[in-house]
Amino acid sequence: EAGVVQSPRYKIIEKKQPVAFWCNPISGHNTLYWYLQNLGQGPELLIRYENEEAVDDSQLPKDRFSAERLKGVDSTLKIQPAELGDSAVYLCARRGRALPYEQYFGPGTRLTVT
Amino acid sequence: GNSVTQMEGPVTLSEEAFLTINCTYTATGYPSLFWYVQYPGEGLQLLLKATKADDKGSNKGFEATYRKETTSFHLEKGSVQVSDSAVYFCALDNYGQNFVFGPGTRLSVLP
Repeated sequence: EAGVVQSPRYKIIEKKQPVAFWCNPISGHNTLYWYLQNLGQGPELLIRYENEEAVDDSQLPKDRFSAERLKGVDSTLKIQPAELGDSAVYLCARRGRALPYEQYFGPGTRLTVT
Repeated sequence: GNSVTQMEGPVTLSEEAFLTINCTYTATGYPSLFWYVQYPGEGLQLLLKATKADDKGSNKGFEATYRKETTSFHLEKGSVQVSDSAVYFCALDNYGQNFVFGPGTRLSVLP
């Protein structure tokens, strides 16, 4: 299977500035995930989409984070305003088409907030 | 809730040494189990998987067996190479509803 595309790969911003990350899985994959990965830790789910619908956003800090997946294909994750503690890698993943539903990840966006 | 526990790293081995990274899980029902590998500066790559008790997943010389009785999925390789240096994540999934990762174990292989 082809990979998940993410951009940008790296982003450096000052605190209180907005930032957005983009993800494009292969067309036809209905389930899309955004994860946060802090240094030295495993990925933590931020939000899961089934087509255009966010079916699990319980871990998304909604005061500053937002996400959208228009037309059920690519997706954008936004932070506004960014805080120092948001420095991390943001990973996007899609799900396999059948059990056991493994996940396929993009390369991630490394965010540094100064 | 579902959870995954891994042995703490870092693990440092000499080339051609035997590798074991322990993984245990807590979950309801019969989850699928996975090992992912993350090389420096890259995203996670699926290494191997198993879907039911006694299944053995294998890939690139790595193996792991789904042990229901001990709720474990330990990763092994008979002879590691320098190129195996990476972070390894154990993970589980309950029918696509709840994908959970362990904290990761960093492996360094010295020539």
